[in-house]
Amino acid sequence: EVQLVESGGGLVEPGGSLRLSCAASGFTFSTHSMNWVRQAPGKGLEWVSGIRSSSSDTYYADSVKGRFTISRDNAKDSLYLQMNSLRVEDTAVYYCARDFSSGPYLGWFGPWGQGTLVTVSS
Amino acid sequence: SSELTQDPAVSVALGQTVRITCQGDSLSTSYASWFQQKPGQAPVLVIYGKDNRPSGIPERFSGSSSGNTASLTITGTQAEDEADYFCNSRDSSGNHYVFGTGTKVTIL
Repeated sequence: EVQLVESGGGLVEPGGSLRLSCAASGFTFSTHSMNWVRQAPGKGLEWVSGIRSSSSDTYYADSVKGRFTISRDNAKDSLYLQMNSLRVEDTAVYYCARDFSSGPYLGWFGPWGQGTLVTVSS
Repeated sequence: SSELTQDPAVSVALGQTVRITCQGDSLSTSYASWFQQKPGQAPVLVIYGKDNRPSGIPERFSGSSSGNTASLTITGTQAEDEADYFCNSRDSSGNHYVFGTGTKVTIL
């Protein structure tokens, strides 16, 4: 069974940093592109960042570019999101989502982890 | 960046058919994916590509597309289909992705 478990969320002050992790199991992690998607309280979904299976390419939403860094460790079956210069508007549940198919980065997000809550507040 | 617009809410009688639409310029060149999200849960992929269902998704879910509009149809709705539904597609600018505004489906 595919499992994605996020961790690292919490309360941080504006301007602070946080590193999210996503532990993957139940599939060959190194063959799938991975993504971070967030959802502000009571709001819709927003794609945040994506990374190809070999880390050869990374992609960011304009709203986080220059502040967030996505990375992965295929030896540890783990995905990361380093978040710097956090803003109040970054408050959201952050989901880790696998690209459904192995190989090319297609943006078919599934399955998803249960998410980790990031709250940016003073 | 592209935007994907959905009707905020739709209601349907139990056992009837409901169509949820998603409009946006990016849909003229990219297929939409569709996600179901129930309260307090993570989204679940229900349709991807032209009209493909992941394993475990009932056959009553189907997808279609015409021009800049994508549709998710639920044929013979069940009570457990009450949820929020989001579309998404590749942004027309490249390897960026955009989600629709979401549609809340209520089963009467």
